[in-house]
Amino acid sequence: EAGVTQSPTHLIKTRGQQATLRCSPISGHTSVYWYQQALGLGLQFLLWYDEGEERNRGNFPPRFSGRQFPNYSSELNVNALELEDSALYLCASSRELGRGYEQYFGPGTRLTVT
Amino acid sequence: AQSVSQHNHHVILSEAASLELGCNYSYGGTVNLFWYVQYPGQHLQLLLKYFSGDPLVKGIKGFEAEFIKSKFSFNLRKPSVQWSDTAEYFCAVIPTGGGNKLTFGTGTQLKVEL
Repeated sequence: EAGVTQSPTHLIKTRGQQATLRCSPISGHTSVYWYQQALGLGLQFLLWYDEGEERNRGNFPPRFSGRQFPNYSSELNVNALELEDSALYLCASSRELGRGYEQYFGPGTRLTVT
Repeated sequence: AQSVSQHNHHVILSEAASLELGCNYSYGGTVNLFWYVQYPGQHLQLLLKYFSGDPLVKGIKGFEAEFIKSKFSFNLRKPSVQWSDTAEYFCAVIPTGGGNKLTFGTGTQLKVEL
């Protein structure tokens, strides 16, 4: 069974630009989650999508947004990039809502903002 | 808001030594608890989980954890560590009905020396 995949592996952007990160969940998983792992801040919850809907959101500004497609893959968009957005962005997936909360993580996208 | 504390940030052990990593959470209600591991160069992997039932749970690679509700703790143990256990270990919690948002501890970096 293939795991969660993310692309790109690395992304370098300049301040003010937009970044788009992509995630494909494990087959059969309908929920996708995004987390930010920034140096000194640990792993922080960003967003949760299930069945195409945003279900929960962490304490991040609105310039962090995303969506989930009909095939359950997901995009995370970060607008008006700031230097402090530099971090590893992890995507996770789990089975449908109500069936447990095991989240399986992908390898991450390393975003560097210069 | 819930929080997770991992008191040991760096642990160095010799092979065959016993391991116990502390994890405490702050939340008054029912929780689901997890330990994740991140081996060097690899992505986060689920080590073990507690949802309900027997408070002593066994995971992969000989790890186990004990949920002590009265102490709000979920400590990770292994009787005899191996060099290959060198990794970063994260404790995480989701309150039941907590919107599938995993709250992570800051992680414990374990180094096992030969």
